[in-house]
Amino acid sequence: QQQVKQSPQSLIVQKGGISIINCAYENTAFDYFPWYQQFPGKGPALLIAIRPDVSEKKEGRFTISFNKSAKQFSLHIMDSQPGDSATYFCAASDTGNQFYFGTGTSLTVIP
Amino acid sequence: GAGVSQSPRYKVAKRGQDVALRCDPISGHVSLFWYQQALGQGPEFLTYFQNEAQLDKSGLPSDRFFAERPEGSVSTLKIQRTQQEDSAVYLCASSLALGGPQHFGDGTRLSIL
Repeated sequence: QQQVKQSPQSLIVQKGGISIINCAYENTAFDYFPWYQQFPGKGPALLIAIRPDVSEKKEGRFTISFNKSAKQFSLHIMDSQPGDSATYFCAASDTGNQFYFGTGTSLTVIP
Repeated sequence: GAGVSQSPRYKVAKRGQDVALRCDPISGHVSLFWYQQALGQGPEFLTYFQNEAQLDKSGLPSDRFFAERPEGSVSTLKIQRTQQEDSAVYLCASSLALGGPQHFGDGTRLSIL
């Protein structure tokens, strides 16, 4: 059973546009929600993370929006650049040890 | 080192052979995690250590999989009698403390022929 559901599977955005990736979860015990970026042949790299006591967190061009009541969270990439082309994974954890990852979104930013 | 180091980067083995995958965590990181990532999928949890203690191995797919971290630093994931379905990228991650951000290595791509 997929603990974290991620959509879309793939996304194509024009340079300068906004990329939006969504995730949903069921387990209300989850209290840590990171987003990872992964390039081919590389391990996932932590982008940004949020805890459920805030509804939004922004770091540079990356923003997480969190809706606790809907059990959904999303990643917004503003002013998307070709260098942002990668696979993005959302994840959730309730204890900080076992992370449950989404299935990934392949983002392509067209110049 | 500066990051999590995994070796080998690539491993090809024949079905039935045993393999050993190594992970060198970031110096001082207490927690160490192993994940399996199938092609086109997200990482799936296998097991984790707090220092040398293996606190959760619920994600290990079968008793052919075994992980150890005898001195609380380097860890080895061993797969015995490999099967084709074991082909995947095996990722290691470490964190300074339990509940902290996990930092991943670049993984070992295992191919079973």
